[in-house]
Amino acid sequence: DQQVKQNSPSLSVQEGRISILNCDYTNSMFDYFLWYKKYPAEGPTFLISISSIKDKNEDGRFTVFLNKSAKHLSLHIVPSQPGDSAVYFCAALKGSSNTGKLIFGQGTTLQVKP
Amino acid sequence: GAVVSQHPSWVICKSGTSVKIECRSLDFQATTMFWYRQFPKQSLMLMATSNEGSKATYEQGVEKDKFLINHASLTLSTLTVTSAHPEDSSFYICSARDQLASGKWDEQFFGPGTRLTVL
Repeated sequence: DQQVKQNSPSLSVQEGRISILNCDYTNSMFDYFLWYKKYPAEGPTFLISISSIKDKNEDGRFTVFLNKSAKHLSLHIVPSQPGDSAVYFCAALKGSSNTGKLIFGQGTTLQVKP
Repeated sequence: GAVVSQHPSWVICKSGTSVKIECRSLDFQATTMFWYRQFPKQSLMLMATSNEGSKATYEQGVEKDKFLINHASLTLSTLTVTSAHPEDSSFYICSARDQLASGKWDEQFFGPGTRLTVL
């Protein structure tokens, strides 16, 4: 039972354009979401997060949007840069902030072409 | 950001042998460490939550006698795959939460992973 889904396994965009990565979840009890970036042979690194009390969080070129009614979140990267090429995972926190665990999506491989 | 290391980065072993993977937090103390498993093109699946000085909590479907976890100190957790079989071949990743970060899931740092291949 995949509670967090990233239905696009890959995405290719041109440098300077916007990258939009999507993530859907099934459990309406999830109230905190995170995006991670992963380069080959490295562990995932935290990128940006959003609480369910917000519908948008922005950090530089990265913005995460949350649509609770649709159980959908998206990560926007603008402008995209070749160094953004990596695998992006979305994750949802299941449980409390102290004892919970992260549920990950399958990841989307982003390729930004120069 | 904080650094989490894993050793070894890759290992090949024969079926039936045991393999130990180490996860270390290098510049912070971690009361909680997590062990994940990732199959190709799939998500990171949580196997167990490891708390320093206590028994690990295993996710449903994960055999605790097969995947032995020891969290002996605030900077080290080990995962031992006992009597490994080819179906155990996977990518194992650990993560650690900064002891001072209570409640902040942004402060969870991942190791680079260990590629296990069982022949």
